[in-house]
Amino acid sequence: AQSVAQPEDQVNVAEGNPLTVKCTYSVSGNPYLFWYVQYPNRGLQFLLKYITGDNLVKGSYGFEAEFNKSQTSFHLKKPSALVSDSALYFCAVRDRAYSGAGSYQLTFGKGTKLSVIP
Amino acid sequence: ETGVTQTPRHLVMGMTNKKSLKCEQHLGHNAMYWYKQSAKKPLELMFVYSLEERVENNSVPSRFSPECPNSSHLFLHLHTLQPEDSALYLCASSQEAGGPGWDTQYFGPGTRLTVL
Repeated sequence: AQSVAQPEDQVNVAEGNPLTVKCTYSVSGNPYLFWYVQYPNRGLQFLLKYITGDNLVKGSYGFEAEFNKSQTSFHLKKPSALVSDSALYFCAVRDRAYSGAGSYQLTFGKGTKLSVIP
Repeated sequence: ETGVTQTPRHLVMGMTNKKSLKCEQHLGHNAMYWYKQSAKKPLELMFVYSLEERVENNSVPSRFSPECPNSSHLFLHLHTLQPEDSALYLCASSQEAGGPGWDTQYFGPGTRLTVL
């Protein structure tokens, strides 16, 4: 089984400060890891993914995430937050070991609401 | 958001109505998905189609019936729904497993469904 935990329902950060949105995962094998963002009344937008290689992944809008296998974490970070970053952020995982129908099974966390305060 | 479109964006229906949600993808993908998003719950994968064949059905009640007539279109037919089915229904698409970039799903804006 695969699972994702986002321990914070909400994160508040002042504009211009660094932000971190936390994610931990559990898989039986090795993971594919993803971050998506959802703005109000919109669908999910892909931000970045970790498949293999460098543990630091850079994505859209200046976001990056660091894969830490020993801590089974994939925290989302940005050096300087913008008010426009305020949204709902979802972490997702898929176990590389899955095949067939399981290849399509992406498990999402509950989401973390990020509020950037001007 | 022209990659994956969904219609209608909002739908209010009674428990005895029959309605359908439509999804269309313009990304040349071969796999399509229906998800249910309820408040303060993780996204729930409902159905997956790959190359127009259903590959996943996560114990979804029969009052939800998917249809995938071709790789660009996906429908969700709704019949005799319950108030607890009120949610945001999201469609997504990707390449089929093993295809280039297949691991990334692209989402539509969703249909906000309210069942009275």
